[in-house]
Amino acid sequence: EAGVVQSPRYKIIEKKQPVAFWCNPISGHNTLYWYLQNLGQGPELLIRYENEEAVDDSQLPKDRFSAERLKGVDSTLKIQPAELGDSAVYLCASSSRTSGGALFFGPGTRLTVL
Amino acid sequence: EDQVTQSPEALRLQEGESSSLNCSYTVSGLRGLFWYRQDPGKGPEFLFTLYSAGEEKEKERLKATLTKKESFLHITAPKPEDSATYLCAVPASNTDKLIFGTGTRLQVFP
Repeated sequence: EAGVVQSPRYKIIEKKQPVAFWCNPISGHNTLYWYLQNLGQGPELLIRYENEEAVDDSQLPKDRFSAERLKGVDSTLKIQPAELGDSAVYLCASSSRTSGGALFFGPGTRLTVL
Repeated sequence: EDQVTQSPEALRLQEGESSSLNCSYTVSGLRGLFWYRQDPGKGPEFLFTLYSAGEEKEKERLKATLTKKESFLHITAPKPEDSATYLCAVPASNTDKLIFGTGTRLQVFP
């Protein structure tokens, strides 16, 4: 079974530029998550989707961050414009009703904002 | 306030030297505790789920245990390939959002 796929793996941009991350969850997983992980910290939830619906986006900075999951499968997370403090690893995860609450993570995208 | 605290922050072990990692939590109505392993440059890898006090789960050299206030990840006779950061997480009290600890960075030397 293929795992969660994310791209790109690394991205370096200058501040004020836009950036987008893509995620393809495990097949059949209806719940998709975007997490942010700073160095030496645990992941922090940005947004959670149940199928196409964003059911928890309370931690998403909506002035510059946006996300979509149009067909309930792939998802895109966008930052516009990026700030220096956005440098971090952006993790995508997915889960299903049968995974007992366990999340399965992708490899992440490491963003560096210069 | 919901909180997950892991200790120690870092642990250096000689190969074969057994030890334990701690995860203490404060949430109302625990609905599961999750252990993950994270290698540098990779996403967290799911290890175990524990649901109730007294429960134990094992995988190779790892054994996770759970009490009403904390969980332990016991590592028996570790090998260098066990070197990684180990994260624990619990669902928040009023939502399904997972709250992660900051992790324990384990290094095992030959």
